[in-house]
Amino acid sequence: QVQLVESGGGVVQPGRSLRLSCAASGFVFRTFGMHWVRQAPGKGLEWLAIMWFDGSIKYYADSVKGRFTISRDNSKNTLYLEINSLRAEDTGVYYCARDKGWGKWLDAWGQGTLVTVSS
Amino acid sequence: QSALTQPPSASGSPGQSVTISCTGTSSDIGGYNFVSWYQHHPGKAPKLMIYEVTKRPSGVPDRFSGSKSGYTASLTVSGLQAEDEADYYCSSYAGSNILFGGGTKLTVL
Repeated sequence: QVQLVESGGGVVQPGRSLRLSCAASGFVFRTFGMHWVRQAPGKGLEWLAIMWFDGSIKYYADSVKGRFTISRDNSKNTLYLEINSLRAEDTGVYYCARDKGWGKWLDAWGQGTLVTVSS
Repeated sequence: QSALTQPPSASGSPGQSVTISCTGTSSDIGGYNFVSWYQHHPGKAPKLMIYEVTKRPSGVPDRFSGSKSGYTASLTVSGLQAEDEADYYCSSYAGSNILFGGGTKLTVL
């Protein structure tokens, strides 16, 4: 079955960088676009970014453009999210999700990895 | 890129029906038929319940249904069951990005 497992979260100081990973299995990873979504404590879901199946196209939410970078390694079935200049408001659970409909909806999600930005 | 608007809470007794609304604009819900709904039990992976406004993925009970009128989409849960208690999020395609609603906590009384 489809499985997405995020990792790389933890407690990080403001201003530092962090790279999150999402290991995919149970489907042909290289044929699917992938998303990152986050949830701040007590808040709703916030879409962050999408990368096309071949890495040719990326889109970002305005709120993270310039600080977040989505990437993937299809040979390793892994999606990444690099976050620079971390801020307190970046604290939350980060989910990766599989794309369906060319960026229209997300049909499978991981359980998330918690990022806490604190000095 | 403002979030879609959902009521923070909804409730119903077992067996009853509940409808959750989701309001957007002409740039998202009103402009595309790509509304989706997600069920989220805290601590677990969110689950796709409805896509393309009305379609259900395989395995989702037909008690869950979706609709849209103008700038407002709705999720109806019929025959409420205890396991339906969760947070529900609407989402809409908005061009090159996706917007989510703030979430609705559904309580089964």
